[in-house]
Amino acid sequence: QLVLTQSPSASASLGASVKLTCTLSSGHSNYAIAWHQQQPEKGPRFLMRLYSDGSHSKGDGIPDRFSGSSSGAERYLTISSLQSEDEADYYCQTWGTGIHEVFGGGTKLTVL
Amino acid sequence: EVQLLESGGGLVQPGGSLRLSCAASGFTFSTYAMTWVRQAPGKGLEWVSSISGRGDSTFYADSVKGRFTISRDNSKNTLYLQMNSLRAEDTAVYYCAKVRESGYDYGAFDYWGQGTLLTVSS
Repeated sequence: QLVLTQSPSASASLGASVKLTCTLSSGHSNYAIAWHQQQPEKGPRFLMRLYSDGSHSKGDGIPDRFSGSSSGAERYLTISSLQSEDEADYYCQTWGTGIHEVFGGGTKLTVL
Repeated sequence: EVQLLESGGGLVQPGGSLRLSCAASGFTFSTYAMTWVRQAPGKGLEWVSSISGRGDSTFYADSVKGRFTISRDNSKNTLYLQMNSLRAEDTAVYYCAKVRESGYDYGAFDYWGQGTLLTVSS
């Protein structure tokens, strides 16, 4: 069974960088994922699709401050030069034959 | 500009039915799979159902299988979710979303609607 694991919370200071992690369950380390941002009281917003080799394709209008990388079963979202509007929930998502679509539990990012 | 606009949410009694709609614009609707995702109050995102671009393949989460039916009308650029036998645990904001890659039944969701709230309560 494919499971995506995310830490429930993270925090970082205004102007700093933060790295969020999404871990694929055993046997699924080659899967691509997507990162989504959900600001308070808003619908989700697609940030990027991230491949197992670390390459990624961003959504429309996503700033360069958002980047992705991969290592083994881990998929990372790095946000640099944190701004107050980056305070949001971040979800990873993956997909595949037979599993269809799966979400991680989400990480709540607090900008201090 | 891609736009997805959900409608049809509301208050329904347990055991009742409701149909959600999602009006799409800004892309060739019939060539992309579409999906419904829900979010219970204070909870994370949960995939509900997906449908292929032509509408000939449908997929459901176990939690809604047999109760919900996804469909689409490509002539109207509209996605639907018919929900029957509703339960309190179906209470959530329901989002429609577009699958990024044309011709695939599943994949990254690259555009989302603003959501419509379903409340199941007596």
